[in-house]
Amino acid sequence: DAGVIQSPRHEVTEMGQEVTLRCKPISGHDYLFWYRQTMMRGLELLIYFNNNVPIDDSGMPEDRFSAKMPNASFSTLKIQPSEPRDSAVYFCASSPVQGGDGYTFGSGTRLTVV
Amino acid sequence: KQEVTQIPAALSVPEGENLVLNCSFTDSAIYNLQWFRQDPGKGLTSLLLIQSSQREQTSGRLNASLDKSSGRSTLYIAASQPGDSATYLCAVNEGAQKLVFGQGTRLTINP
Repeated sequence: DAGVIQSPRHEVTEMGQEVTLRCKPISGHDYLFWYRQTMMRGLELLIYFNNNVPIDDSGMPEDRFSAKMPNASFSTLKIQPSEPRDSAVYFCASSPVQGGDGYTFGSGTRLTVV
Repeated sequence: KQEVTQIPAALSVPEGENLVLNCSFTDSAIYNLQWFRQDPGKGLTSLLLIQSSQREQTSGRLNASLDKSSGRSTLYIAASQPGDSATYLCAVNEGAQKLVFGQGTRLTINP
C-alpha cells in the first residue's frame, strides 16, 4: 500500500480564494482524520470520519472550513474564502480500527495564504 | 480538557548517549498513548503505541513507558545516533478517536 496520499504537497494562494485539499486513505481503513499543524498551536484535530460519515467536526475553526468524504477512498478539506491565518500544514490520517490503533499520517499539504 | 506537555522542548546530545523524553497529560482516562517521530517537512511516523492497560512497549533501541495514574510517559532512546535527530511527539487517545498532541521535543544528536 502506498500509504495515505495527500495532494497537493504545497499550495500558495491569495487571500479570498477557495482552497481544496485532497486525501486518499489507506484501503480498508474505516477512520479518516484531518489535522492542522502550526508553530503556535501544534497539531489540532479538525474533523474525523467513520465509514465516510463525519463524526466530530468540533475542531473546525469556522464556517469557512468544510470537509467531505464522498466514498471510502477520497476526502476533501475546503477553505472558502481563505485567509492568511489559515496558513499551516494540513495532515490527513487514517486508522483501521476504533481506538487509534495503527494511525497512519500522510505527508501533509503546506498551505500558504498571501 | 486534556492537555499534553512535553519536556524538554529541545534537546541536543552527543552521539552514543542514552536519553529520555518526557510526556505528561492532565486526564488519566485515556485509551492509549502513542509516540510519533516527525522529520522536517515530513509527516508523522508512529513509533510506539501503549494501551492503557500496558506499562511499556519496546521497539529496537526505543522503549516507552506509561504510568497512567500519574499522567506520565517516557520515551527512552538507547545509544543515540545522528539519524535519530527529529521532533518526537507524544499523543494521548481519550477513546473518542481524538489524538491530543504535545508540542513535541526537538532532538538533535551531534556526531
